[in-house]
Amino acid sequence: KAGVTQTPRYLIKTRGQQVTLSCSPISGHRSVSWYQQTPGQGLQFLFEYFSETQRNKGNFPGRFSGRQFSNSRSEMNVSTLELGDSALYLCASSPRDRVGDTGELFFGEGSRLTVL
Amino acid sequence: AQSVAQPEDQVNVAEGNPLTVKCTYSVSGNPYLFWYVQYPNRGLQFLLKYITGDNLVKGSYGFEAEFNKSQTSFHLKKPSALVSDSALYFCAVRAPPTGLYNQGGKLIFGQGTELSVKP
Repeated sequence: KAGVTQTPRYLIKTRGQQVTLSCSPISGHRSVSWYQQTPGQGLQFLFEYFSETQRNKGNFPGRFSGRQFSNSRSEMNVSTLELGDSALYLCASSPRDRVGDTGELFFGEGSRLTVL
Repeated sequence: AQSVAQPEDQVNVAEGNPLTVKCTYSVSGNPYLFWYVQYPNRGLQFLLKYITGDNLVKGSYGFEAEFNKSQTSFHLKKPSALVSDSALYFCAVRAPPTGLYNQGGKLIFGQGTELSVKP
């Protein structure tokens, strides 16, 4: 099986712009989660989507949003970029096919965003 | 609220020696615990998990972890370290399901421990 695919891998934006990141989960996986990784704050949960619905949300401002499509692919969007949004954005998928699922998350390689 | 602490920013080990990367947690109810490894400019790779059962969990690449409920710890161990084990290691916790839909995709990570294995 192909792993979790994130695009683009690297991108540079300027303050005030917006960015859209894409994530294709492992085939058959219905849940997609997004994380932000920075040297100062570490790994922080952004949100999780399952069956096209946001199920969980972390403590990030409304500038951070996401969505999931019927094929489980997901996108996240950050509007009005700030310097502090520079980070590695990681997407993770899991099967989540039953209540009580305790399986691990499968991470992509990440999208490294630099805001100038 | 759930939390995870990795008290050591960096662990240095000589190749061939045993290694331990420490993790303590705080969670209400029974914890679901995970260890992940991250190599430079890469995503996270799953190593092992503890959900229930034996306190000693065996995982990928010869790693194991010991769950200690009384000390609320979940330390990662390997009997003989390799130079290729050098990487960033993360401990994570997830709250158990509380309703129809659990918090499966939401992990709380520790700050990470940089493991350096020298020849």
